[in-house]
Amino acid sequence: QKEVEQDPGPLSVPEGAIVSLNCTYSNSAFQYFMWYRQYSRKGPELLMYTYSSGNKEDGRFTAQVDKSSKYISLFIRDSQPSDSATYLCAMSANAGNMLTFGGGTRLMVKP
Amino acid sequence: DADVTQTPRNRITKTGKRIMLECSQTKGHDRMYWYRQDPGLGLRLIYYSFDVKDINKGEISDGYSVSRQAQAKFSLSLESAIPNQTALYFCATSDSGVLWGYTFGSGTRLTVV
Repeated sequence: QKEVEQDPGPLSVPEGAIVSLNCTYSNSAFQYFMWYRQYSRKGPELLMYTYSSGNKEDGRFTAQVDKSSKYISLFIRDSQPSDSATYLCAMSANAGNMLTFGGGTRLMVKP
Repeated sequence: DADVTQTPRNRITKTGKRIMLECSQTKGHDRMYWYRQDPGLGLRLIYYSFDVKDINKGEISDGYSVSRQAQAKFSLSLESAIPNQTALYFCATSDSGVLWGYTFGSGTRLTVV
């Protein structure tokens, strides 16, 4: 079993939909959580990060962490075709540790 | 210019050949990493280096070697390429102690035939 699980998709939604992307993990020591966005033929770019539990909002994006369930989510409101990309979750137990990545979910937002 | 530059962008090589992938950065970061990405498997760490004299194996280092020629340069070698090393390879950098700051290059698509 992988340490971080993520549904590979693809997830196809119409423009304007609310998108929910999720990861589950098994290591209870993880406390730093990140979401990266990767466009085709590009490297991943950091989208959002959170520490411990709770929510964090940035424009149309909301990151949510539930440490009791070992479950993190990324919500995208009013999705746009430009949001079409692969979204990878990543996490770590400490600030100096390596990141452990999920496999990524491919999202397609259709006009 | 990109902060993290990888060369080549694409490479096709034959089984058994030695190949080097290069990475250079202008971020001034002390830490550099090599990952490979395969469909459904996400990013897997091959090697990482916390400074010029520090090289560490990642989870899938077999068949690979690295060289940190300078703070800004970190190269990955496949000593004798095999077809299951066909993948997308990414170099990344970060600043020590700053978890959020992984910067990735645009990747090298390697095909071993």
